[in-house]
Amino acid sequence: KNEVEQSPQNLTAQEGEFITINCSYSVGISALHWLQQHPGGGIVSLFMLSSGKKKHGRLIATINIQEKHSSLHITASHPRDSAVYICVRNTGNQFYFGTGTSLTVIP
Amino acid sequence: DAGITQSPRHKVTETGTPVTLRCHQTENHRYMYWYRQDPGHGLRLIHYSYGVKDTDKGEVSDGYSVSRSKTEDFLLTLESATSSQTSVYFCAISEDNTGELFFGEGSRLTVL
Repeated sequence: KNEVEQSPQNLTAQEGEFITINCSYSVGISALHWLQQHPGGGIVSLFMLSSGKKKHGRLIATINIQEKHSSLHITASHPRDSAVYICVRNTGNQFYFGTGTSLTVIP
Repeated sequence: DAGITQSPRHKVTETGTPVTLRCHQTENHRYMYWYRQDPGHGLRLIHYSYGVKDTDKGEVSDGYSVSRSKTEDFLLTLESATSSQTSVYFCAISEDNTGELFFGEGSRLTVL
């Protein structure tokens, strides 16, 4: 059963703020993915992780396998970070998507 | 980047007409997927393929068929398009070695 819950659904932040988006899932996973989609744009893979933490520039993704929870952090947010962020649970070769968190960063 | 291209990128058609969307990859990964994206629903799986001539249904497969006669191409067909199939369609591949997910640019279909 797919249950990938993201919070918040919508988020507005001032430029420079530290942002956290949360993702919870209910079953075991092979991996957890974070995707980014800019308005009217394509979908880009940000992270794929199965344990611990990964960092890329100002983006950090963490996962706690025992608690079935992942977070995406954005440090020093910028208006160009405005996008929808999607959490994806991966079990084998099947992928289950959250409905996304819409982030708006105001200058 | 897994070299995924979708065509057409935009299409407007009338109810009852057949439509075929094409997904092409350059790296011969085994798993390919078709999703539709609609407001409030996120991405939903239509069909997927795990090799040439090997396909299976997803959660919203009614009204859609697929074919994969070559590793690099995965076709999605709407035999008789309906207005409820107006959507943005994304093709994706799961990289064989890593499992990382890559998406095509999307195809916006409007059925009038």
